[in-house]
Amino acid sequence: GAVVSQHPSRVICKSGTSVKIECRSLDFQATTMFWYRQFPKQSLMLMATSNEGSKATYEQGVEKDKFLINHASLTLSTLTVTSAHPEDSSFYICSARDTDRIYGYTFGSGTRLTVV
Amino acid sequence: DQQVKQNSPSLSVQEGRISILNCDYTNSMFDYFLWYKKYPAEGPTFLISISSIKDKNEDGRFTVFLNKSAKHLSLHIVPSQPGDSAVYFCAASHSGYALNFGKGTSLLVTP
Repeated sequence: GAVVSQHPSRVICKSGTSVKIECRSLDFQATTMFWYRQFPKQSLMLMATSNEGSKATYEQGVEKDKFLINHASLTLSTLTVTSAHPEDSSFYICSARDTDRIYGYTFGSGTRLTVV
Repeated sequence: DQQVKQNSPSLSVQEGRISILNCDYTNSMFDYFLWYKKYPAEGPTFLISISSIKDKNEDGRFTVFLNKSAKHLSLHIVPSQPGDSAVYFCAASHSGYALNFGKGTSLLVTP
């Protein structure tokens, strides 16, 4: 079945530093990838949609200069949290949509980010 | 605003009985619906889905029912097993855009 690898699974960083999260589709091509954020006991909130080779589309209220998304290939998207603050601490999850299956969404295992 | 709603934050069911998880949506453009199972600090795992042109889809112990006129769907798990205990998310999409998620229902199946 379709597999999406997300790294790292957990990361602790200091305030002001940047953290990069990778999302990789292992056995399929993903023209489109999605990045979500989940707060405790809350829903998964869409942050942005990234399409291979073009700029990401950010949801309202998500700072594009703070959450940099790069989707340089059909199998890899990265989310970089720049100048991290404690309020950025959250659970980040990526989802890759199979190019050949319009509703073929596969999720990564998530990244727990803690900013201290 | 929340376009997908799961109004029951938690549900407790005895092993062997039926679990029914409910979901309502407001956007009539949604044409595909999915259910995911999720554990803390893990990504969602796909369970079952249904297209808006159908009203029922079954896969083993899992059945999803869709009532378009009521903008309501439900997930039935029969028989429930302790390993089914997790948080279940309902999600919806239109035209392959990003999924909209409900807030989840925490299911506990007791022996």
